Amino acid sequence: GAVVSQHPSWVICKSGTSVKIECRSLDFQATTMFWYRQFPKQSLMLMATSNEGSKATYEQGVEKDKFLINHASLTLSTLTVTSAHPEDSSFYICSANPWGVQETQYFGPGTRLLVL
Amino acid sequence: DQQVKQNSPSLSVQEGRISILNCDYTNSMFDYFLWYKKYPAEGPTFLISISSIKDKNEDGRFTVFLNKSAKHLSLHIVPSQPGDSAVYFCAASANNQGGKLIFGQGTELSVKP
Repeated sequence: GAVVSQHPSWVICKSGTSVKIECRSLDFQATTMFWYRQFPKQSLMLMATSNEGSKATYEQGVEKDKFLINHASLTLSTLTVTSAHPEDSSFYICSANPWGVQETQYFGPGTRLLVL
Repeated sequence: DQQVKQNSPSLSVQEGRISILNCDYTNSMFDYFLWYKKYPAEGPTFLISISSIKDKNEDGRFTVFLNKSAKHLSLHIVPSQPGDSAVYFCAASANNQGGKLIFGQGTELSVKP
């Protein structure tokens, strides 16, 4: 099946620093990628839809200036958590949706962020 | 506003028996439903899906049933195996939402030997 990778798999940073997480589709092109966040024992909450070549669409309550998304190519989307705080500590997961196929969405392995 | 709900946070089943995981939704625009299996600190793994034009889809030990009038779907695993122990999420999407998935809260399945 299709493969989506994320890098890094885990990161620890100091409060106030920025962290960039990469999401790559390895064997297919994705015009759309999605970023989710999961707190312990909770659901996956959609943060934003990343669209290649255009601005991301953020879900209600997600600060676009804090969570910067860049979808620079058909195989790469990045999420930058700016000025991270301890409450941003979470598990961030991306998914990629191949060309116009609603039924198919492949998830990355996730990135664990811990902000001290 | 939880559009997709999994009201059972956990389920315990004996090996070899049937596991039934339930999911309810409120948005009538949803036309595609998926089940994912997830282990801690890993991304979800796709299991099985169903389109709203069907009421049943089967793949090996996994069967998903959809009752549109009740806005309810269920995942049946039979026979259950210890390796099935994980958190199961149902997700829904609407055709006009560009593939965006809305997830339920998840149900932790424990299959005991």
